[in-house]
Amino acid sequence: LAKTTQPISMDSYEGQEVNITCSHNNIATNDYITWYQQFPSQGPRFIIQGYKTKVTNEVASLFIPADRKSSTLSLPRVSLSDTAVYYCLVGDRSGGYNKLIFGAGTRLAVHP
Amino acid sequence: NAGVTQTPKFRVLKTGQSMTLLCAQDMNHEYMYWYRQDPGMGLRLIHYSVGEGTTAKGEVPDGYNVSRLKKQNFLLGLESAAPSQTSVYFCASSSGQEAGYGYTFGSGTRLTVV
Repeated sequence: LAKTTQPISMDSYEGQEVNITCSHNNIATNDYITWYQQFPSQGPRFIIQGYKTKVTNEVASLFIPADRKSSTLSLPRVSLSDTAVYYCLVGDRSGGYNKLIFGAGTRLAVHP
Repeated sequence: NAGVTQTPKFRVLKTGQSMTLLCAQDMNHEYMYWYRQDPGMGLRLIHYSVGEGTTAKGEVPDGYNVSRLKKQNFLLGLESAAPSQTSVYFCASSSGQEAGYGYTFGSGTRLTVV
């Protein structure tokens, strides 16, 4: 199983850049790295995905080093509405099919 | 743009009762999943399906059964509810086999077993 390790919680302030790093030492060759965001009482929401180097969309950037054993989600200029739990996942191919395994995630609290 | 719809949104069951949770998606996705989330925890995979007529066990399948008779629907059944099954249940669907294909989640079903 490709498991991930990320900080349990982080605090930030409005307007700052937040970087959440995730470790995935056993990532498989064909696995992608995917990040989700979850607000209270809602289902997780897909944020960004990548395989290597850097990926950027309108919400975040994802940095993946050459060895792919870690990744960093970067949220530019956070606001109070970015307070949520952020999950880093890699595909689990055991059993022949991909299924995402969620860890506990990182609770991000953004303060005024 | 409905995406993934779960019904019901809330339910209270007595120990030993049975119920079925319905998940419906309108995106023509092949893959569908049922997760449970306990307070302060991440999501745990219960069962999943890689296409119509198929089902497979996830991390925590005991006490649950599933069926995928139609591509757009994925049903989760509790035959004899127990207090340990009190949780929020999320259904998700995806289009591809790679983890790179983002999942779409429903808004959840909050189940309490007393």
